[in-house]
Amino acid sequence: ETGVTQTPRHLVMGMTNKKSLKCEQHLGHNAMYWYKQSAKKPLELMFVYSLEERVENNSVPSRFSPECPNSSHLFLHLHTLQPEDSALYLCASSQERLAVLNTGELFFGEGSRLTVL
Amino acid sequence: TQLLEQSPQFLSIQEGENLTVYCNSSSVFSSLQWYRQEPGEGPVLLVTVVTGGEVKKLKRLTFQFGDARKDSSLHITAAQPGDTGLYLCAGSPLEGGNNRLAFGKGNQVVVIP
Repeated sequence: ETGVTQTPRHLVMGMTNKKSLKCEQHLGHNAMYWYKQSAKKPLELMFVYSLEERVENNSVPSRFSPECPNSSHLFLHLHTLQPEDSALYLCASSQERLAVLNTGELFFGEGSRLTVL
Repeated sequence: TQLLEQSPQFLSIQEGENLTVYCNSSSVFSSLQWYRQEPGEGPVLLVTVVTGGEVKKLKRLTFQFGDARKDSSLHITAAQPGDTGLYLCAGSPLEGGNNRLAFGKGNQVVVIP
């Protein structure tokens, strides 16, 4: 069993659908992240949560809406997506010194492959 | 412009051969990390290098951090099919950033049996 679990592994949705991606970490970490991975592009950081508070939103369109109900769970709610949003969405967690985030070692889930038709 | 440039982008070699891939930048990093991502999986951390000139070995993988802490290399000795994957380097620049971890595009390595 991996330390970070993502569901679903694959998702196909139309542009008018509403769906959610789920992430759960079993590592006791204090920070969680959403990344987008597209072909031939570097990993793009979307959102960062520290102790359930969102500390960063990297200019992500509002059709992506994150939620972090507790330190172990992270969601990404999707609505009215575009075909260019098709990508692998990776959740990660880390144990960070709270004054400096996202410099530690990341533990990734297996990803949710999203296809928008 | 890309903060971290990885080269070559794609490399295909025969089992048993050696290979080296590179991660370069004009920025100085407090540390650099290397991850390997296999098809259909998320990236998995291989190593973190912290000190300029540092060399770390992980079985047949040798990681080196440049003296100026701007670049890193990964050398694989006697590559095996299990080494196939996308190798990602990542680091937080010391200046001009918000301490966010930046990733390169990756080195796609294919080891042919």
